[in-house]
Amino acid sequence: NAGVTQTPKFQVLKTGQSMTLQCAQDMNHNSMYWYRQDPGMGLRLIYYSASEGTTDKGEVPNGYNVSRLNKREFSLRLESAAPSQTSVYFCASTRGSSGVNEQYFGPGTRLTVT
Amino acid sequence: GQQVMQIPQYQHVQEGEDFTTYCNSSTTLSNIQWYKQRPGGHPVFLIQLVKSGEVKKQKRLTFQFGEAKKNSSLHITATQTTDVGTYFCGTGGGGSNYKLTFGKGTLLTVNP
Repeated sequence: NAGVTQTPKFQVLKTGQSMTLQCAQDMNHNSMYWYRQDPGMGLRLIYYSASEGTTDKGEVPNGYNVSRLNKREFSLRLESAAPSQTSVYFCASTRGSSGVNEQYFGPGTRLTVT
Repeated sequence: GQQVMQIPQYQHVQEGEDFTTYCNSSTTLSNIQWYKQRPGGHPVFLIQLVKSGEVKKQKRLTFQFGEAKKNSSLHITATQTTDVGTYFCGTGGGGSNYKLTFGKGTLLTVNP
């Protein structure tokens, strides 16, 4: 199993450009999440999908959109990138059922917006 | 939503010294999860605590959940250079979305 995969690993954008971050998991997990990580700020939830077909805003959704394409894939789109969106982006997934629901994280995408 | 405060923000120790990070909340928590993130890496799940007063051990790591379920701690005995990284606590609201709210993390550095 590959676990959670993310593409690209690195990206440099100019202000105003758009891009989509891709995430896929092969663990048959129901729930998926997008976080951003900035120095001293910890992990902040951008959007999540509790189950296939649903998406909801997290703590910092402004400037982003998401699509739960199917059970495996959950993408994050920046329509008009801003320097404030320079960050490391992590996708995560969890089983989303009773019991321990530990989150499995992808390797991250390091995004710089100039 | 539930919030957790994590202290300290940074901790530098000599190899062999002990280390503790704390996760505190003003409200009762349904559960606590702990993660470790190595420099340049991604967070990796360590453990989940759900019961009042629960204590769990993993080799040199000891995890505790307070009696009132408002705080938790991670203690590392005799740190090693492999313990370097950021330790995060996260709490779930117990709802059906299984989302977590994370503390800001404690960065541990170890001087060999």
